Amino acid sequence: EAGVVQSPRYKIIEKKQPVAFWCNPISGHNTLYWYRQNLGQGPELLIRYENEEAVDDSQLPKDRFSAERLKGVDSTLKIQPAELGDSAVYLCASNPTGASYEQYFGPGTRLTVT
Amino acid sequence: AQSVTQLGSHVSVSEGALVLLRCNYSSSVPPYLFWYVQYPNQGLQLLLKYTTGATLVKGINGFEAEFKKSETSFHLTKPSAHMSDAAEYFCAVSLRYSSASKIIFGSGTRLSIRP
Repeated sequence: EAGVVQSPRYKIIEKKQPVAFWCNPISGHNTLYWYRQNLGQGPELLIRYENEEAVDDSQLPKDRFSAERLKGVDSTLKIQPAELGDSAVYLCASNPTGASYEQYFGPGTRLTVT
Repeated sequence: AQSVTQLGSHVSVSEGALVLLRCNYSSSVPPYLFWYVQYPNQGLQLLLKYTTGATLVKGINGFEAEFKKSETSFHLTKPSAHMSDAAEYFCAVSLRYSSASKIIFGSGTRLSIRP
């Protein structure tokens, strides 16, 4: 079974430029998450989808961040414009819906904003 | 509200020594508890989880953790450390009785192994 796929793995951009990350979750997983992981810290939830619906986006900085999961499968996270403080690893995870299920993580995209 | 506290951002042990990584949680309802491991430049991988039943849970790579409700703890142990155990370890909690699969992560503990 294929795991969570993310691309690109690494991205370097200048501040004020846009950037987008893509995630394809494990087949059949209804719930998809985007996390941001700053250096030396644990993942912090940005947004959670149940199928195509964003059910928790309270931590998403909506002035510059946006996300979509149009068909309830793969998802895109966008930052426009990027700031220096956005440098981090962006992780995507998925699981079947339910609190007892562990989340399966992709390898992440390491973003460096210069 | 839930929260997770990992005591010690960095733990260093000798190869062959006992590994003990500490985790305390706060939750208004009985929790589900998880330990994840993250190797450099990789995503998080589940080591073990506690949902119901036996409070001592065994995971991959020889790790185990014990849920102690009275102490609100879920410490991770391994009897004998191996060089390959060097990684970042995260404790996490989610709410039982909830259909919402939201997990809160601790800040992580970096484990170093001395030869």
